[in-house]
Amino acid sequence: DGGITQSPKYLFRKEGQNVTLSCEQNLNHDAMYWYRQDPGQGLRLIYYSQIVNDFQKGDIAEGYSVSREKKESFPLTVTSAQKNPTAFYLCASSAPGQGVYEQYFGPGTRLTVT
Amino acid sequence: GEDVEQSLFLSVREGDSSVINCTYTDSSSTYLYWYKQEPGAGLQLLTYIFSNMDMKQDQRLTVLLNKKDKHLSLRIADTQTGDSAIYFCAEEIKAAGNKLTFGGGTRVLVKP
Repeated sequence: DGGITQSPKYLFRKEGQNVTLSCEQNLNHDAMYWYRQDPGQGLRLIYYSQIVNDFQKGDIAEGYSVSREKKESFPLTVTSAQKNPTAFYLCASSAPGQGVYEQYFGPGTRLTVT
Repeated sequence: GEDVEQSLFLSVREGDSSVINCTYTDSSSTYLYWYKQEPGAGLQLLTYIFSNMDMKQDQRLTVLLNKKDKHLSLRIADTQTGDSAIYFCAEEIKAAGNKLTFGGGTRVLVKP
């Protein structure tokens, strides 16, 4: 089955620790995205990558880092510099080009930092 | 600039029609999308409309686009309890590298 997976579904960390969220896709998509969702708010773009070994900051990149060493994988590290890391994190992938394209979303990881 | 706004909440009776509204500010948007999010899950694409269209119908879903007023709406006919979810509109601007800008989401509650 083709799809996009995120693990784990729930993650708990102590304040001051870095934590890495996994995102894997087997859709052969070039582009991948990380969003953050807070209660009652829309999705805000953290980082995105349009091709392997390249990525750009989104609207709220401070306190986060990413890597894109493989087409299938786009892990997100939430660093201790992120002031409010508790949130629902969504990864997506797409095959951008001409015309309409769909962003396929993973099931999300709920991160709680105490 | 990019700014997409939606009302927060909509309550509707089962069998009635739901209308979810969205306004956007960037006139260069090329496609506009509606996504659905069920509790604790990711988003699923429901439908989309190209910016040079003013209406699109897809089974129970009707999308209306008023480009002059930068207003997008999603009508769900014969709303069912399974339609209870959060609905997000999003605009895509090709010049911005295919990024999507999402609205804050409208929580739809369908009452039996």
